[in-house]
Amino acid sequence: AQTVTQSQPEMSVQEAETVTLSCTYDTSESDYYLFWYKQPPSRQMILVIRQEAYKQQNATENRFSVNFQKAAKSFSLKISDSQLGDAAMYFCAYRSAIMGMDSNYQLIWGAGTKLIIKP
Amino acid sequence: DSGVTQTPKHLITATGQRVTLRCSPRSGDLSVYWYQQSLDQGLQFLIQYYNGEERAKGNILERFSAQQFPDLHSELNLSSLELGDSALYFCASSVVSSGTDTQYFGPGTRLTVL
Repeated sequence: AQTVTQSQPEMSVQEAETVTLSCTYDTSESDYYLFWYKQPPSRQMILVIRQEAYKQQNATENRFSVNFQKAAKSFSLKISDSQLGDAAMYFCAYRSAIMGMDSNYQLIWGAGTKLIIKP
Repeated sequence: DSGVTQTPKHLITATGQRVTLRCSPRSGDLSVYWYQQSLDQGLQFLIQYYNGEERAKGNILERFSAQQFPDLHSELNLSSLELGDSALYFCASSVVSSGTDTQYFGPGTRLTVL
């Protein structure tokens, strides 16, 4: 079974600085997707960024980028120029990409990292 | 706004009762997923429907059931409620049921069982 581990329960960063959130996962599959979701105090679950395992290039979305190390099964999120609005819980999630009638495309979640932005 | 709607936003009820949570997926999405977020267990997948049919089951209790209707909205029914069922219940939707598409989440329903 696949597992996702976020070892940092809480991180803090000064506004305008850069912070990296860690995520490791365990899987025997070769084809999968990895996601970072953000959950602000409103509790809405918002997709931040997505990475396809078959792509070597790291995904980037504006100030958010990932460092995807497939062999190490590591998927960290870098937030540049941190803003107050970035304060939230960040969840790393795994999803199988194996096609088939019995395939299960549920998201498997890490425990989350609470990101605090200091003004 | 993800385009996924969930009602009600908050629900307070007593132990032993039954409640129904409703989810409307984004326009064009055929797949609906239900997740439970509780303090002690984190986020867990409950069940998935695709175009009206059950596709996958996760850690869903026998007291819980769900269905997806012809108009693609879905309902999650929770019965014989216990204190431990208090949680945030999310619905997510995606275009198809495959590994290539992204799940978009609704705002959630916060259930409090007293």
